[in-house]
This record gives sequence, C-alpha cells and structure tokens, in this order.
Amino acid sequence: DVKVTQSSRYLVKRTGEKVFLECVQDMDHENMFWYRQDPGLGLRLIYFSYDVKMKEKGDIPEGYSVSREKKERFSLILESASTNQTSMYLCASSSGGAGEQYFGPGTRLTVT
Amino acid sequence: QQPVQSPQAVILREGEDAVINCSSSKALYSVHWYRQKHGEAPVFLMILLKGGEQKGHDKISASFNEKKQQSSLYLTASQLSYSGTYFCGTESGGSNYKLTFGKGTLLTVNP
Repeated sequence: DVKVTQSSRYLVKRTGEKVFLECVQDMDHENMFWYRQDPGLGLRLIYFSYDVKMKEKGDIPEGYSVSREKKERFSLILESASTNQTSMYLCASSSGGAGEQYFGPGTRLTVT
Repeated sequence: QQPVQSPQAVILREGEDAVINCSSSKALYSVHWYRQKHGEAPVFLMILLKGGEQKGHDKISASFNEKKQQSSLYLTASQLSYSGTYFCGTESGGSNYKLTFGKGTLLTVNP
C-alpha cells in the first residue's frame, strides 16, 4: 500500500516565521509534488521534483522553495510566512511517466 | 492555465446519472480524474492518454477527445458514495508529468 505522509495535520505560525513542511513517501517514486488547495480554486501546483536534487516551478512558486535531498523526502519551505499563505498544503508522489498521483493527508497551515 | 470544469456543482438523487466536463486551451497528452471526499485527500480514479480512449471503473467511465482538448467523466446509477469533489488534471506535452488541475466539481448524491 502506497503511503504518503506529511509531518503535521495542523500548523499555526506567525507572520515572518520560516516554515518547513515535510513529506515522505514509501514507494520509491521518482516524482513528488507540492500543491496548495484553497476553496473555489482547486489544486494549484507550487513545485515539483522528478529526481533527487531536481526541482521545477509549478504555477504558483512565489514565496516558496523546496528541497529534495533524498528520493523519499520532499520539503516545502516558506522563507517568511505571510497571511496569504494560509491554506491546505497537499503533497503527492508518482512513479515515472504519466502515473497516478498518491496524495498525503494534507497540512492545514494558518499564518497569523 | 487551469482547465475549465463544468458544472461547478451538481445535486443528484441516488440512481441518477451525471456528466462532468473538463476543457483545456492547450494540447493535451493525458487527462487524470480524481475524487476528493470532504476532509480527505484526493484519490485517483483514472487516466486517459492521447488516442481518444475511453476507460471505465465500475459505473464511472470517461472519454478523452484530444482534438477538442476535452474530457468527460460519466457517472451512471450514482451511489451515495460518489459524493465528493471531482477534479480533472491535465498534462501537456513536455511538462515532465506536471498536472494542472481544474477548480473541481462538487457532486452531492442524496438518498
């Protein structure tokens, strides 16, 4: 059974803090993704990675960075959190090719 | 640019049919469909690859018209368990497996 885990289900941070969201998958997948989900806007891709140390910007990368030092782990970093980054963050992984994406349970981040 | 899904919401009675459409302005390599129940993560339903194929999954099937850059999801004889938000994710050529998701269609099935 594929499992994608995220470090926290709920997180509350203050404006200006550096925030780390961690994602781990156990299926040796090449591709990993970070999305944010906001009501009425669907899933929007922030960054993705198709190999260790490789990353590509998604549709809304501003204010975010990522790190992938190991194949199973993909981190999303908010260098200086702002209130407009309050959202649900979903991590996903997939094998090479147009494979199905497996999603983690999500982290609901609130920035006050 | 996000694909456009229609309708935004639909309410059904158990046993009724529904169609959800997904339309893109870009040439597509594949279309993915996911369902997300309230408070849960999205779950994969099916992938349709370029070639106009149609796939089925129990009473849920889908088609992909690559010339029109459109896909449709067909839910027949809906069950209460079909309730949720349905997302299409589109992949354009050369995108390194990146999906662009639509805003979703909220499907509610009532007894």
